Amino acid sequence: QLQLQESGPGLVKPSETLSLTCTVSGASISSSNYYWGWIRQPPGKGLEWIGNIFYTGSTYYNPSLKSRVTISINTSQNQFSLRLRSVTAADTAVYYCASRDGPPRLENSFDYWGQGALVTVSS
Amino acid sequence: QSVLTQPPSVSAAPGQKVTISCSGSSSNIGNNYVSWYQQLPGTAPKLLIYDNNKRPSGIPDRFSGSKSGTSAALGITGLQTGDEADYYCGTWDTSPSALFGGGTKLTVL
Repeated sequence: QLQLQESGPGLVKPSETLSLTCTVSGASISSSNYYWGWIRQPPGKGLEWIGNIFYTGSTYYNPSLKSRVTISINTSQNQFSLRLRSVTAADTAVYYCASRDGPPRLENSFDYWGQGALVTVSS
Repeated sequence: QSVLTQPPSVSAAPGQKVTISCSGSSSNIGNNYVSWYQQLPGTAPKLLIYDNNKRPSGIPDRFSGSKSGTSAALGITGLQTGDEADYYCGTWDTSPSALFGGGTKLTVL
């Protein structure tokens, strides 16, 4: 059974970089049977997709965040990571890492989710 | 404002049926699969429906999905109080980008 766990600072200052890591257990991050993604949810609001990364290293990002986002894979630690630069209060949200058990496809269909990590942007 | 339009809220009595709609366009729903997620208060979303109408293992057949043209719908029959949650539709867009609807809050009266 695949399990995902987010980790990282819960408080980030405005203009700095938000960094989160998702540790994967129960499967290899390099497996072609999965793809990986980040989704966020501002307090009291809906879900917003941030981006996906495939085992090949290919990435897709939300066009509204693309200039500030990097998603990468660390195969040695079986993790994937999110970096969001130049944050503002509008980036305050619960950040979820998620995965899809299936062939790499361009879709929105995450069947495994981490529990979520609240990140607050404040000085 | 989400590209995918859902009603903000729906309600129905226990045991009844409810339908939640999700409206998009040819660049997203019209040419891609639709998924549905359930988010219980304080928890991560859970995949209920994928590929328009398929249920992951463990999801009861009270939940069903359909798609027609640029719209999709989630049906829930035999409503239970435990079904009270936020429901989100999701799909891919030609941007390219994954999309979520704005969410629908289900109240079981």
